[in-house]
Amino acid sequence: DTAVSQTPKYLVTQMGNDKSIKCEQNLGHDTMYWYKQDSKKFLKIMFSYNNKELIINETVPNRFSPKSPDKAHLNLHINSLELGDSAVYFCASSLQTGGSEKLFFGSGTQLSVL
Amino acid sequence: DAKTTQPPSMDCAEGRAANLPCNHSTISGNEYVYWYRQIHSQGPQYIIHGLKNNETNEMASLIITEDRKSSTLILPHATLRDTAVYYCIVLNTGTASKLTFGTGTRLQVTL
Repeated sequence: DTAVSQTPKYLVTQMGNDKSIKCEQNLGHDTMYWYKQDSKKFLKIMFSYNNKELIINETVPNRFSPKSPDKAHLNLHINSLELGDSAVYFCASSLQTGGSEKLFFGSGTQLSVL
Repeated sequence: DAKTTQPPSMDCAEGRAANLPCNHSTISGNEYVYWYRQIHSQGPQYIIHGLKNNETNEMASLIITEDRKSSTLILPHATLRDTAVYYCIVLNTGTASKLTFGTGTRLQVTL
């Protein structure tokens, strides 16, 4: 079973559209994240949720809205897509155990905005 | 969180040990050293972490200097599948939500 799964793997869409990326983890973790990897391969954290509550929002435009229906899911909704949103988006999860916070990442969603 | 410095790239022959260095001279006493890697087109993968003692697991060994200002990740018998970008990160306890990745070291394992 895949520990952290995200869908779709590829997403091609037009500017101005609204799209969603889904993420699910079956590890029983209490914290989930969204990361963005741009064309220069820099990985930057976007959001962090702990037990369905937002704990990090790294100056991401409000066109991006994470939604966590339960602690096993953290979906990413993006409104009014722009060319600059093209990137690979990674979902991750971790268990807050104090001193051993290993993040488990999904395989990524490559978003291309045309 | 302390910043880290890594060489941008390294080569290693298959079957040899790959030794990846990391400098973290401003590390504080309660910050851990974590290593992740990202194989092409995949999500980052946790490798190992430590505080001040050397650590070993099924993937690698982590050697941390006594002053904790630098560390070395050792892949004892590198294979082609170990070709990846390796990230050294220092992180405080309970702050996984602040995990950020630098530019890392691109390790190329060759025949």
